[in-house]
Amino acid sequence: EVQLVQSGAEVKKPGESLKISCKGSGYSFTSYWIGWVRQMPGKGLEWMGIIYPGDSDTRYSPSFQGQVTISADKSISTAYLQWSSLKASDTAMYYCARPRSDTSKEVAFDIWGQGTMVTVSS
Amino acid sequence: DIQMTQSPSSLSASVGDRVTITCQASQDISNYLNWYQQKPGKAPKLLIYDASNLETGVPSRFSGSGSGTDFTFTISSLQPEDIATYYCQQYDNLRLTFGGGTKVEIK
Repeated sequence: EVQLVQSGAEVKKPGESLKISCKGSGYSFTSYWIGWVRQMPGKGLEWMGIIYPGDSDTRYSPSFQGQVTISADKSISTAYLQWSSLKASDTAMYYCARPRSDTSKEVAFDIWGQGTMVTVSS
Repeated sequence: DIQMTQSPSSLSASVGDRVTITCQASQDISNYLNWYQQKPGKAPKLLIYDASNLETGVPSRFSGSGSGTDFTFTISSLQPEDIATYYCQQYDNLRLTFGGGTKVEIK
């Protein structure tokens, strides 16, 4: 079964760092892009960025460039999303997702992680 | 970056009604447009890819059409289990954008 399993919920203080994970299984992890999507409480979906684990080619949404770092460790089939200094406005659900196609020509996310809730509060 | 304008932001319809949601891109995106359904507390689910292709296992009452800048998503006969928020999403050269979402409720 193809699946993405994300790390558990986090509660952090402003200024702290954080790295959440997304582990892929049931498919060739290095052959498919992995995207990250933010959903703030009661709000819509926002694309943050996408990484190709095969060569770590990474693209960011202009809204998130410089705010987060996306990485991947292909040896353990895991993608990461990290912050160096969290803000209260980073409080949100974060999803990783995999496109249905292994080409960069089509990015339709058919496999989603269960989501990681990040709460940032003093 | 390409902006996606989705409308309406919410709608209320009766069971069996035909429901239509539109999405307009700020520039030509060919058919690089997908539609998702999200139920409360759940991850989004892909329904339509490349503007008009029905994802495997998705009921045929869901459909999509359009190309260029104007796209339409239709539920031909609204069912109680279709209560959810629907999002369009474009992908252009690995730069993605989601529409603002449409919350569908039963009247």
